[in-house]
Amino acid sequence: QKEVEQDPGPLSVPEGAIVSLNCTYSNSAFQYFMWYRQYSRKGPELLMYTYSSGNKEDGRFTAQVDKSSKYISLFIRDSQPSDSATYLCAMPAGGTSYGKLTFGQGTILTVHP
Amino acid sequence: DSGVTQTPKHLITATGQRVTLRCSPRSGDLSVYWYQQSLDQGLQFLIQYYNGEERAKGNILERFSAQQFPDLHSELNLSSLELGDSALYFCASSVARRTDTQYFGPGTRLTVL
Repeated sequence: QKEVEQDPGPLSVPEGAIVSLNCTYSNSAFQYFMWYRQYSRKGPELLMYTYSSGNKEDGRFTAQVDKSSKYISLFIRDSQPSDSATYLCAMPAGGTSYGKLTFGQGTILTVHP
Repeated sequence: DSGVTQTPKHLITATGQRVTLRCSPRSGDLSVYWYQQSLDQGLQFLIQYYNGEERAKGNILERFSAQQFPDLHSELNLSSLELGDSALYFCASSVARRTDTQYFGPGTRLTVL
């Protein structure tokens, strides 16, 4: 079983829809949670970085963490065609593993006009 | 543009060969990370260097090695290449030694024929 599970999709939604992307994890040592966005043929870029359980909002993006269920979500409101990308959840191992990030498989999202 | 540069963008080589991938971190960043991204394995952490010293290791093959030079640029050396080594190789950098925001470069696409 992978430490981080993410449905690869693909997910196709109409413009303006609310998108929900999810990851589950098994390692209780994960304390920080990140969402990266990766456009085709580009490197991942950090979208959201959260620590505690609860919600964190940034514009049209909301990251939600439920540590008791080991479940994280990213919501995109009023989705735009420019949001079409692969979304990866990531968790730093922490402890003596320093900067190692463990990534989910990534969910491919397409927002069509 | 993350500020992390990687060369070359594309590399095509034959099995058994050796290649070197180069990464220049963002100005001021001391940590460099290497990741491999393939369709079946997703984005996998390989190794981290901080200010010239190895700090964390992932599932990096023995045929692979890396180093970080005094000017903080890093090189990833891949030898005795196999077809399965074909992947995108990303470099990321961050300011600190421990986990914080990692900025990814555009990647090097390696094709082994």
